[in-house]
Order: sequence, then structure tokens, then C-alpha cells
Amino acid sequence: EVQLVESGGGLVQPGGSLILSCAASGFPFSGSPIHWVRQASGKGLEWVGRIRDKANSYATAYAASVKGRFTISRDDSKNTAYLQMNSLKTEDTAVYYCTRQAVGTAGYDYWGRGTLVTVSS
Amino acid sequence: QSALTQPASVSGSPGQSITISCTGTSSDVGGYNYVSWYQQHPGKAPKLMIYDVSNRPSGVSNRFSGSKSGNTASLTISGLQTEDEADYYCSSYTSSGNWVFGGGTKLTVL
Repeated sequence: EVQLVESGGGLVQPGGSLILSCAASGFPFSGSPIHWVRQASGKGLEWVGRIRDKANSYATAYAASVKGRFTISRDDSKNTAYLQMNSLKTEDTAVYYCTRQAVGTAGYDYWGRGTLVTVSS
Repeated sequence: QSALTQPASVSGSPGQSITISCTGTSSDVGGYNYVSWYQQHPGKAPKLMIYDVSNRPSGVSNRFSGSKSGNTASLTISGLQTEDEADYYCSSYTSSGNWVFGGGTKLTVL
């Protein structure tokens, strides 16, 4: 069974940092691009960023709203991806999902249940 | 990168067909066959319904279909069922190497 499980969410003050993890199982993680998508309460989906696989040099890309503050990484030996979030702002408050981009397509075929990040003083 | 444009809401009766549009630019929707559609029920993670404009993942009903013309992609749901009531989002790859979502459409099955 394919699973993506996010963890690490919580309450953090503005300007603070947080690291989210995405533990994967049930599929060949090392060959799969992983994306992070967030959703503020009552709002739509927002693409945050992605990391490609080793064959593509673990290339990353980020939305303009988080570029320079967020960093995506992965540890294929642990089947885990990470989202390092620095200089957090109140507008970063959202449920954060990790999702797999199906190989050879642009669709996100597997999603985690999400983890809530609240940025507030 | 601006969000793709979707209608805020659409509605239909059981058995009818509805179409949700997703309008972008030649730098995203119009430039690539990398449009996907997602269904999201309240409190749940999104579910992939259509990928690469018109392809259905295994297990998704053939009542769902996708198409594209120019800078606008469309999701059509035929034979509406009550369980289709949900939010729907389109997504596209962009020329900057990023991805972008639409603002979402709330489907109400009357």
C-alpha cells in the first residue's frame, strides 16, 4: 500500500523555523519527484516546491512566495523528503501536503494527509 | 506566477453533465500538455482525477474527462452523482519550471 505521511507541523512564532518530514512507503521513492503543496484554511491549493530524483541531480524548484526561505531535501536511504521552513510569516499558516509526481507524467498521484503549520505570536 | 482562473462555483442535477474551465496563458496551460485535475472533499487530501490533459488514472470513473483548447483546459463530469460534490482544482506545469494551481471550483450537485 502506498503511503505518504507528513509530520513536524505545529505552532511557531513569526520569524521562526520548522522542518516538515514526509515518510514514504509502498513505491520506489528514490525515482520519484516529490512536491510540497499547501492549503490555508478555507483557501485553495498552492504549489510550494519540488525535488527531483538523483538521476536529475536532486534539482529543486520553489514558488516565488517561499523562494529563499524554504528548502526541500530528501534522504533516499530513509525514503523521506523534508521541507525546511525559515523566516516564517503568518501567511505561511496552512496544511502542508507532500505528494508524489507520477514518473513520466505531471500528475500528483499519491498524497499524504497533510500536517498543519500555524505561524502566530 | 498567477493562479490559473477557474469559476468559483458550478452546479448541476444528478444525471446531468457539467464542465469546469481552467484558463491560463501560453506559458502554462497553452504551452504544455501537463494539465491535471484534482478532486477534494472537505477535510480530505486531493485526489488525482485527470493527468496530462485527458488521461484518467486507474480507478477513476470514465464519467470524468479532460480536454484543452488553446490556453483553456476543461474538466467534464457526465452523469453527475451526489458523491461528485466537492472542490475541483486544475494544475499546470509552467515555462519557469514551476507548477501552478487554479483557484478551485466548488461543485454542488443539486
